[in-house]
Amino acid sequence: AQKITQTQPGMFVQEKEAVTLDCTYDTSDQSYGLFWYKQPSSGEMIFLIYQGSYDEQNATEGRYSLNFQKARKSANLVISASQLGDSAMYFCAMLPNQAGTALIFGKGTTLSVSS
Amino acid sequence: KAGVTQTPRYLIKTRGQQVTLSCSPISGHRSVSWYQQTPGQGLQFLFEYFSETQRNKGNFPGRFSGRQFSNSRSEMNVSTLELGDSALYLCASSFWTGARYQETQYFGPGTRLLVL
Repeated sequence: AQKITQTQPGMFVQEKEAVTLDCTYDTSDQSYGLFWYKQPSSGEMIFLIYQGSYDEQNATEGRYSLNFQKARKSANLVISASQLGDSAMYFCAMLPNQAGTALIFGKGTTLSVSS
Repeated sequence: KAGVTQTPRYLIKTRGQQVTLSCSPISGHRSVSWYQQTPGQGLQFLFEYFSETQRNKGNFPGRFSGRQFSNSRSEMNVSTLELGDSALYLCASSFWTGARYQETQYFGPGTRLLVL
């Protein structure tokens, strides 16, 4: 079964510190995409970063980087230099390669950044 | 480029009524997906439309339906509302890349539906 697991319900970090949000996935597919989304209290799901299963380099987008370890089936999100505005729920998601399949989401991790 | 827009943003209905939610995708995106988000069930996939055809459907009762128009705008309808339909409904659009697993879905702000 295809599944995303996020084991950290909540994480706390101080401003300017780096934080890693964990994500493991389960799939037997060779081709898949991994995504991270941020959901502030307003509700909108904001796309942060994408990693394809064939990408050899870890994806980076500004302060976000994805630590992709294919053999361990993990896709952790690293946020460098946390800011107060990073406080939100973060979802890891996977998209298989079959047409018409939907994003498979984890249960999310709530990140709280304090000053 | 304008993002995904959803209307209305907030809605209050009573049990038994029906509701229609609207989603306008990013220009050039032909795929529109709908998700329901509740505290208890998390994010659940409702359905996806591509070029006016339903391409996939989640495990929801027939009270939930949708459609897509030629301009890629999509609507979802919920008939005979139940209290459990109270949720955040998110719409997402994506651009066809030829490889499904590379399609990044961009979400709208959501519609918060409260059923009383």
